[in-house]
Formats: sequence, C-alpha cells, structure tokens
Amino acid sequence: GAVVSQHPSWVICKSGTSVKIECRSLDFQATTMFWYRQFPKQSLMLMATSNEGSKATYEQGVEKDKFLINHASLTLSTLTVTSAHPEDSSFYICSAVRDSSNQPQHFGDGTRLSIL
Amino acid sequence: KQEVTQIPAALSVPEGENLVLNCSFTDSAIYNLQWFRQDPGKGLTSLLLIQSSQREQTSGRLNASLDKSSGRSTLYIAASQPGDSATYLCAPRGIQGAQKLVFGQGTRLTINP
Repeated sequence: GAVVSQHPSWVICKSGTSVKIECRSLDFQATTMFWYRQFPKQSLMLMATSNEGSKATYEQGVEKDKFLINHASLTLSTLTVTSAHPEDSSFYICSAVRDSSNQPQHFGDGTRLSIL
Repeated sequence: KQEVTQIPAALSVPEGENLVLNCSFTDSAIYNLQWFRQDPGKGLTSLLLIQSSQREQTSGRLNASLDKSSGRSTLYIAASQPGDSATYLCAPRGIQGAQKLVFGQGTRLTINP
C-alpha cells in the first residue's frame, strides 16, 4: 500500500487563489520531504527540500514567497501556491525519506493543479 | 552538477520480449540509485533501490545493475507484459548537498499485446 499520501489529487481554481497541497508519510517518520514539479512529457524538477522544524531549501529559480513550504511534523509537509496564475498549472509531486542515506524515497500520487 | 541521461527515450515492443533500459549519470559520488515507474497522470512507484556498494538488485522480473565508476545503470525487464507499459525513470541520490535525487527524462515503454 501507499506509504506517502498526497492530497488533493486534483484542483481546479480561479487565478489569484492560493492552493494548499498536503503530503503525509503514513508509516514512517520523514525528517526530509521533497517537492517536485512536472510539466507534460517532462521529467521531475526538484522545487525544494523540506526538513522538519526548519526552513525549506529552495532550488535556484523557485520563488520561496510564491511556493510556501511548511514541514511542521515528521509526517506532514505542505506546499502552498500563493496567488496562483495559469502558468502555475502543473503536476506537483512530493516524496518522503527516512533519516538515512541508504533508504529509498517514497512518492505521493501527485496533485494536478489547473488554474483558470 | 549531476546530469542523468536515459536511452532510449521511447521503446515499443511486442509482449514477451526481454528489455534493457539504460541510464547514465555524470557524477559517480552517489549513495544509491533508484528506478521508478510512472503511469500517466500518476506519481512514482519505486521499483528497485541499488546501493553504491552493490552491483545489482532483483525483484521479480526486474533486475537493476549499477556500475558506479562508469556512471551507468541498466534495468532489465524479463518476459515483458502489457502491464509493464509506463515511463521508467532512474534517479541517483548524491552524496553532496541534501542528498536529493536527480531524474533523467525517462524511457517511455509500450508493450504491445
């Protein structure tokens, strides 16, 4: 069964709305979670690395004020797309990993975000 | 900066064939490498994790090999089935920085009945 749950799976909203996406690790404590973005027919691009209890580390070119990340507990990280515009429409995927370098990353099922 | 290349980009074969998907990466300083499959509109399913000290890992009809020094990994699929149709992604996990995964563009596999 799924070890990482992502919610919602699909969001359609108007331009200017803020949208929150949740990522939960279901059966392990994830000290680190990652947020990715995927455009059609392209691979995953890492947006940010989220560590529990500290500020997220954003990749170059990703606006931290646009994509707010909160990793409040060892099982939950949230991504909020603030004042979303049509160009923010994409597929967002999170992953979680236990605190060990030899452990696999487990991915959520993704969230399809469509901004009208 | 790690760069990952997967060849071929797309592959279409009849059911029953044995397949090899290739992955190459530029920075050999890795902890491990994961192979994933992604179905259309879905997240990633982890298939195999191969540690940097290992040469290969097997799970059912799947076998992944790793040659860290040459920056190569292969995924071997035996006796392919239509249900194997998906995009396959490889991702090495680097030692530096946040140990993040770097993804290739994937191989889009179609198995024809």
